[in-house]
Amino acid sequence: EVQLVQSGAEVKKPGESLKISCKGSGYSFTSYWIGWVRQMPGKGLEWMGIIYPGDSDTRYSPSFQGQVTISADKSISTAYLQWSSLKASDTAMYYCARRGGGPIDAFDIWGQGTMVTVSS
Amino acid sequence: EIVMTQSPATLSVSPGERATLSCRASQSVSSNLAWYQQKPGQAPRLLIYGASTRATGIPARFSGSGSGTEFTLTISSLQSEDFAVYYCQQYNNWPPIFTFGPGTKVDIK
Repeated sequence: EVQLVQSGAEVKKPGESLKISCKGSGYSFTSYWIGWVRQMPGKGLEWMGIIYPGDSDTRYSPSFQGQVTISADKSISTAYLQWSSLKASDTAMYYCARRGGGPIDAFDIWGQGTMVTVSS
Repeated sequence: EIVMTQSPATLSVSPGERATLSCRASQSVSSNLAWYQQKPGQAPRLLIYGASTRATGIPARFSGSGSGTEFTLTISSLQSEDFAVYYCQQYNNWPPIFTFGPGTKVDIK
């Protein structure tokens, strides 16, 4: 079964760092882009950025450039999203999603989401 | 930067009725348009890609149409499990850039 499994919920304080993960299985992890999507409480979906684990080519939405870092470790089929200094406004659900191959350029497989809560 | 808009924000429909959701792009995205369904507490699910192709396992009551800047998602006969929020998304092949619309909530009339 093709799936993405994300790390568990996090509760952090402002100014702390954080790295959340997304592990792919059931397919060739290095052959598909993995994107990250933010959903703030009660709000819509926002694309943050995307990485190609095969060569670590990474692209960011202008809204998130410089705010987060996306990386991947292809040896363990895992993508990451990290913050160096969290803010309360980073409180949100974060999803990873696979960009489908061939004609399916949309996000065809999604992780279950990681809830990040930033509060003093 | 391409901006996606969706209308209406909320659509109240009775079970068994037809629902028509609209999505507009600020500039042409060709057929690079996807629709997703999100139910409370769940991750989004891909319904339609390429503006009109149903994803694997998606029932035939879901159909997509349009190209360029105007797109439509039609649910021919709403079932109880279809009450959810629906998002459109444009995707650029290269460089990979994605933009979601604000969503349309389909609720029970």
